[in-house]
Amino acid sequence: TQLLEQSPQFLSIQEGENLTVYCNSSSVFSSLQWYRQEPGEGPVLLVTVVTGGEVKKLKRLTFQFGDARKDSSLHITAAQPGDTGLYLCAGYWGGATNKLIFGTGTLLAVQP
Amino acid sequence: ETGVTQTPRHLVMGMTNKKSLKCEQHLGHNAMYWYKQSAKKPLELMFVYNFKEQTENNSVPSRFSPECPNSSHLFLHLHTLQPEDSALYLCASSQGRGGPYNEQFFGPGTRLTVL
Repeated sequence: TQLLEQSPQFLSIQEGENLTVYCNSSSVFSSLQWYRQEPGEGPVLLVTVVTGGEVKKLKRLTFQFGDARKDSSLHITAAQPGDTGLYLCAGYWGGATNKLIFGTGTLLAVQP
Repeated sequence: ETGVTQTPRHLVMGMTNKKSLKCEQHLGHNAMYWYKQSAKKPLELMFVYNFKEQTENNSVPSRFSPECPNSSHLFLHLHTLQPEDSALYLCASSQGRGGPYNEQFFGPGTRLTVL
């Protein structure tokens, strides 16, 4: 069962363009994390959003958690080749478990 | 010094072989995880260990056998695997037992090919 659906699945853009990646679910999560994975490496955490409606900015990256805590988005302004990678959202249901549910992933390629 | 290391980085094995994957974390964390990453599928959690005790087995076939001798080391013993088990196996660690800000730190993975 796919609990976290990401779109688009693939994205190829030119340097300087803007883009948005979406992470959607029918389930409510206590928090949502975004990771980036580069080739030959494991995922690296970018941000955690906890409150419904929360917006966090990390330089050119803007993350938003939906009001109902079922969805999230990642917006990149003026993309650079260094932004290339696999972007993964991951939901945490809460409680005493440390289990994360990962999304289907968005593979981003930024051409110079 | 990288926080989570995995060896080997690449492994090719036949279906009758027995091999082991090793993970070591240098971050002083209490929880360790094994994930499977296949093409076109989400990252799949396989096992979770907290303070050396297994707390999660995500219906993983018995041909995968984890071992956690201490909080810093995690192994995945492999035997009689199938070609569909070919994937990137990622190890991760985190501090504590959950919580919304519980960040997981991943190793680079072992690329496994089963012939």
